[in-house]
Amino acid sequence: DIVMTQSPLSLPVTPGEPASISCWASQSLLHSNGDYYLDWYLQKPGQPPQLLIYLGSNRASGVPDRFSGSGFGTDFTLKISRVEAEDVGIYYCMQSLQTPLTFGQGTRLEIK
Amino acid sequence: QVQLQESGPGLVKPSGTLSLTCGVSGASISSTNWWSWVRQPPGKGLEWIGEIYPTGSTNYNPSLKSRVTVSIDKSKNQFSLRLRSVTAADTAVYYCARGWGRGSSSDYFDYWGQGTPVTVSS
Repeated sequence: DIVMTQSPLSLPVTPGEPASISCWASQSLLHSNGDYYLDWYLQKPGQPPQLLIYLGSNRASGVPDRFSGSGFGTDFTLKISRVEAEDVGIYYCMQSLQTPLTFGQGTRLEIK
Repeated sequence: QVQLQESGPGLVKPSGTLSLTCGVSGASISSTNWWSWVRQPPGKGLEWIGEIYPTGSTNYNPSLKSRVTVSIDKSKNQFSLRLRSVTAADTAVYYCARGWGRGSSSDYFDYWGQGTPVTVSS
């Protein structure tokens, strides 16, 4: 199985400030088609996860442009340019290069 | 608007079988999507269980494969999860989700159900 590791596990952020979450995979997530099979989800309190970024850097429909995904190989980053109160929750990365699909442990973002 | 809704018993006895159904509205379950199950134990992270394609092709997490069956009912536009020989470790919120994939499994999940809690206890 591909093991996903996130850092930090807890992220206190002041509104309006940027935030960054890292995700590492135990092997490269580069597919032969040139895409990176890495997705980001946000689970707001009491809600199911929602898709933010798919295939490394593509924003899902309706996701604000303050969210961006980047990275290559085994190292990936989710960046929020200016954190808002509604961004509170747990962020998960997930690899979809091979089954079983696996998630990172999650990063809890809280407002200072 | 695509909506997924999980349903099933909230309490299952140890060694019994957990059975859940995910009803899909706003989309056809016969479309070119994968239909998946993901679970989340209390206070913990997400675990992918398995998925099914409209052709009947399935993918399962090896850690659960011997106990899991995912099936599809096109006439009712729904898909189901059966998990046999459950223990307390299977207590979790169970989510169904729609997956998009160009290959042999989901690349990402764009719609999720609200989740249904299942407790394994006598």
